[in-house]
Amino acid sequence: DAGVIQSPRHEVTEMGQEVTLRCKPISGHDYLFWYRQTMMRGLELLIYFNNNVPIDDSGMPEDRFSAKMPNASFSTLKIQPSEPRDSAVYFCASTGTSGDTQYFGPGTRLTVL
Amino acid sequence: RKEVEQDPGPFNVPEGATVAFNCTYSNSASQSFFWYRQDCRKEPKLLMSVYSSGNEDGRFTAQLNRASQYISLLIRDSKLSDSATYLCVAKTGGFKTIFGAGTRLFVKA
Repeated sequence: DAGVIQSPRHEVTEMGQEVTLRCKPISGHDYLFWYRQTMMRGLELLIYFNNNVPIDDSGMPEDRFSAKMPNASFSTLKIQPSEPRDSAVYFCASTGTSGDTQYFGPGTRLTVL
Repeated sequence: RKEVEQDPGPFNVPEGATVAFNCTYSNSASQSFFWYRQDCRKEPKLLMSVYSSGNEDGRFTAQLNRASQYISLLIRDSKLSDSATYLCVAKTGGFKTIFGAGTRLFVKA
């Protein structure tokens, strides 16, 4: 079975550009999470969805960040405009109703120059 | 103050040693607790859940003390392959999941 799929795996962009990160959760999972990991701040929860509905976006750093989940098999995290301090690894994770195990994708390593 | 705090380490131990990691959480509403393992440049993966009664999985033992808001992980007979970062996790009833910054472990031959 395929795990959580993220694309792209690496993204290098210039400050001010729009960045879109993509995630396909494990089929049948109804919770999807977006995280950001940096050396300084560790792994931070940005937002999570249940049945495609955003439940808690209190971790989204500012209005430049937005996330959508148009259907059960696809989610995006968009940064517009991007800034160098957004450089990090962005992980997507999914889980079923019990929520005990979150399955992480391989992450997108974002570098903003 | 971070909601979940861990000693960042690193812990440098020889093969065969026993090593213990501690973690504290500040949100008393946290209901579920876990340890995840993250290898260098990889995604986190669930190591084990943590129950109030304590639980064991092979060489790994996890304990939860709700009164002190404290979680621990004990690794016995350390292997080279145990070298990784161990993340302590607290989850509220609403699925909000808070990760600690992680404790790095290096097991040496």
